Amino acid sequence: EIVLTQSPATLSLSPGERATLSCRASQSVSSYLAWYQQKPGQAPRLLIYDASNRATGIPARFSGSGSGTDFTLTISSLEPEDFAVYYCQQRSNWPPGFGQGTRLEIK
Amino acid sequence: EVQLVESGGGLVQPGGSLRLSCAASGFTFSSYWMHWVRQAPGKGLVWVSRINSDGSSTSYADSVKGRFTISRDNAKNTLYLQMNSLRAEDTAVYYCARDRQEGTVTTNFGYWGQGTLVTVSS
Repeated sequence: EIVLTQSPATLSLSPGERATLSCRASQSVSSYLAWYQQKPGQAPRLLIYDASNRATGIPARFSGSGSGTDFTLTISSLEPEDFAVYYCQQRSNWPPGFGQGTRLEIK
Repeated sequence: EVQLVESGGGLVQPGGSLRLSCAASGFTFSSYWMHWVRQAPGKGLVWVSRINSDGSSTSYADSVKGRFTISRDNAKNTLYLQMNSLRAEDTAVYYCARDRQEGTVTTNFGYWGQGTLVTVSS
């Protein structure tokens, strides 16, 4: 079973700053990695799939990169609504799994 | 507009059963694979089960295999999760989720319901 490790656990930034979130897989997942955003009391929302493809309706400030075992979610300039928990998810190997999450909080 | 509305959660004793439902609208339900994903209180996301578009193929996480059954009624646009032999560790919010892409399985979750809380406790 592939383990996804997200870092940092918590990231404290201010609106307007750039956020860089990391997800590392215990073995290669090729490009089959997705990112989700979850706000308190809400369901997750798909942001990025297959490492770098933005889902429908996702703003251009969200971008994803990486392949193999190392992936990055970048938010180019943080908006107030971006402060949330972010999860990565792999679909390369069975079973599909999620990372433990990175909490992006307002500094 | 895609909508997924879960129901059926609640408090159940260990060893008990519960059936969750997920009513879908705003898309051609019969064309999509569907999933259940759960989240224990304060914890991360865990994939539970999936079913293909016509209901003929199902898969489960090892933690629920043999205890949970996923099914669907395409005439009613409804997804189900029958949960038997419930344990305390099954306590979670259960989300139904639509696969990202029509006609195939990607095991990415493009749309989610609001979730329904299942609490297993005596």
